[in-house]
Amino acid sequence: GDSVTQMEGPVTLSEEAFLTINCTYTATGYPSLFWYVQYPGEGLQLLLKATKADDKGSNKGFEATYRKETTSFHLEKGSVQVSDSAVYFCALRVFSNSGGYQKVTFGIGTKLQVIP
Amino acid sequence: NAGVTQTPKFQVLKTGQSMTLQCAQDMNHEYMSWYRQDPGMGLRLIHYSVGAGITDQGEVPNGYNVSRSTTEDFPLRLLSAAPSQTSVYFCASSTDISAYNSPLHFGNGTRLTVT
Repeated sequence: GDSVTQMEGPVTLSEEAFLTINCTYTATGYPSLFWYVQYPGEGLQLLLKATKADDKGSNKGFEATYRKETTSFHLEKGSVQVSDSAVYFCALRVFSNSGGYQKVTFGIGTKLQVIP
Repeated sequence: NAGVTQTPKFQVLKTGQSMTLQCAQDMNHEYMSWYRQDPGMGLRLIHYSVGAGITDQGEVPNGYNVSRSTTEDFPLRLLSAAPSQTSVYFCASSTDISAYNSPLHFGNGTRLTVT
């Protein structure tokens, strides 16, 4: 089946540090890949996405590149801020040639704490 | 634009009680789903719907019922609450199921405690 692997954390960084959150996946078909962010007390919201190999998704200074050869979609940011403290979820959605439902599979989420 | 609205935000139930978690979206999305979020387990799919009148089970459907009588609403019913159902519940929707690259839109969640 489909699965997403990411570390749970917490990841603790000082402000302005470089961030990498690793995400690897297995998929039965050809997936679209997503990063979602969850701020305290809120639901998840889309951070960025990539729909085909070598695509780079970017938003708010975060980036992730769809690497089909390594089945990875690592999240990076050059300089984190305290306001980036949140839980980050990697997710995939597989295209089905037969149509029908394409389930979204989530990783367990990585908690990021940024300290001043 | 309200997006996905969940009610209530918090709920405490006694074991054996029943209740309905409400979810409504105003984006005319065909696809709606319910997830539960538990520490160390991420998000697990409970039930989903690809359109009015159509529902199906996800990974962890036992103890929950759903119905989809309109495009907008997708309530989740707990038939007889158990402590194992203590969790945070999220409703999420997206555009049609063939748009596999369309993201999910989430509500702000319902925190349920069963004592």
